[in-house]
Amino acid sequence: DAKTTQPTSMDCAEGRAANLPCNHSTISGNEYVYWYRQIHSQGPQYIIHGLKNNETNEMASLIITEDRKSSTLILPHATLRDTAVYYCIVMGGSQGNLIFGKGTKLSVKP
Amino acid sequence: EAQVTQNPRYLITVTGKKLTVTCSQNMNHEYMSWYRQDPGLGLRQIYYSMNVEVTDKGDVPEGYKVSRKEKRNFPLILESPSPNQTSLYFCASSLSQGGPQHFGDGTRLSIL
Repeated sequence: DAKTTQPTSMDCAEGRAANLPCNHSTISGNEYVYWYRQIHSQGPQYIIHGLKNNETNEMASLIITEDRKSSTLILPHATLRDTAVYYCIVMGGSQGNLIFGKGTKLSVKP
Repeated sequence: EAQVTQNPRYLITVTGKKLTVTCSQNMNHEYMSWYRQDPGLGLRQIYYSMNVEVTDKGDVPEGYKVSRKEKRNFPLILESPSPNQTSLYFCASSLSQGGPQHFGDGTRLSIL
């Protein structure tokens, strides 16, 4: 079973920031938070991951709370192409089996 | 361009006719895996490989075989396909187990 809880769906206006929350209250000390997205039926795409510190790359920012029980993925300027299902996944550093839950369906609207 | 390539992308076949879905990556990744995606069930791992000649079962391995004779290739074999293996299949690879995984574009199999 997925170890994370995400809202089923969210809307965001084009050009605005999209903030996608994720709860992972049972996360262990050696487990990372990963974010992937899947556009329609394409292969999932890796976005970002982190352990404790906030992370930023060219796609997004990841904010992890100090107690590590929740995190937020931020897409700073959402475009229509960001419409997808976003998955928050908790995984140990020595594991490889990504447990995909139901994710959040993000709809970016003009 | 770094990529994971799956073939075929689409296949309709009949029960019992052996088939192989190929997967190749050009990133020199050690870890490779196969997932299937079904409506309402999400993606589930079938098999994985940590390196050449090292493979292991995932969550739903029944009815599938894999091999890893070369680092770049990780074919998925259905010896005697059945209709319950109709699904969307994804191959993925990562530098090592636990790292970010790169996924292929998927193979849609229909077993009649």
